Amino acid sequence: GENVEQHPSTLSVQEGDSAVIKCTYSDSASNYFPWYKQELGKGPQLIIDIRSNVGEKKDQRIAVTLNKTAKHFSLHITETQPEDSAVYFCAASLTSGTYKYIFGTGTRLKVLA
Amino acid sequence: KAGVTQTPRYLIKTRGQQVTLSCSPISGHRSVSWYQQTPGQGLQFLFEYFSETQRNKGNFPGRFSGRQFSNSRSEMNVSTLELGDSALYLCASSREAVNTGELFFGEGSRLTVL
Repeated sequence: GENVEQHPSTLSVQEGDSAVIKCTYSDSASNYFPWYKQELGKGPQLIIDIRSNVGEKKDQRIAVTLNKTAKHFSLHITETQPEDSAVYFCAASLTSGTYKYIFGTGTRLKVLA
Repeated sequence: KAGVTQTPRYLIKTRGQQVTLSCSPISGHRSVSWYQQTPGQGLQFLFEYFSETQRNKGNFPGRFSGRQFSNSRSEMNVSTLELGDSALYLCASSREAVNTGELFFGEGSRLTVL
């Protein structure tokens, strides 16, 4: 079936370093790729998204890149801060089928002070 | 602007019981979707409602059901609870009906089945 693979499952970085989370999707017809951040005890919140007609998008310290040919997309966080510590989920939308988004299994990011 | 509200936040049930969870979406949002979150499995899609109609359904057994009311509030029900149903159940609302809109999540209902 359709799925989204996300790696790594856990990631620890020193404050100020960069963090990269990678996702691979299987449905070549997917055209929308959001990233959600979930802080402890809260629901996920959208932090950035990218559509298939764009290769890269940046918002301050956060950027997302998309390689449609390889069906890969990645989240890049630069100059990490302790408040970046959270679980991050990637997702891909299916243009057909029975559901709205397929989410990855999540990456727990720890930023060490 | 009020966010997505889910009740109850925590509940404990025993095997065989049934449970009903409630979700109030952001005002003006007509789409409500439900997800099950478990460690290592990420967010598994349950179903999505738009204007009181179930438009999409995930790969869950028939014990999981839901509905949406005319004011867009939604409920999901799980009957004959099993230990594996222990999870955080998240509700999300969105304005659009298509699959490219931002989802606004509630804080979830954490269900423990003993």
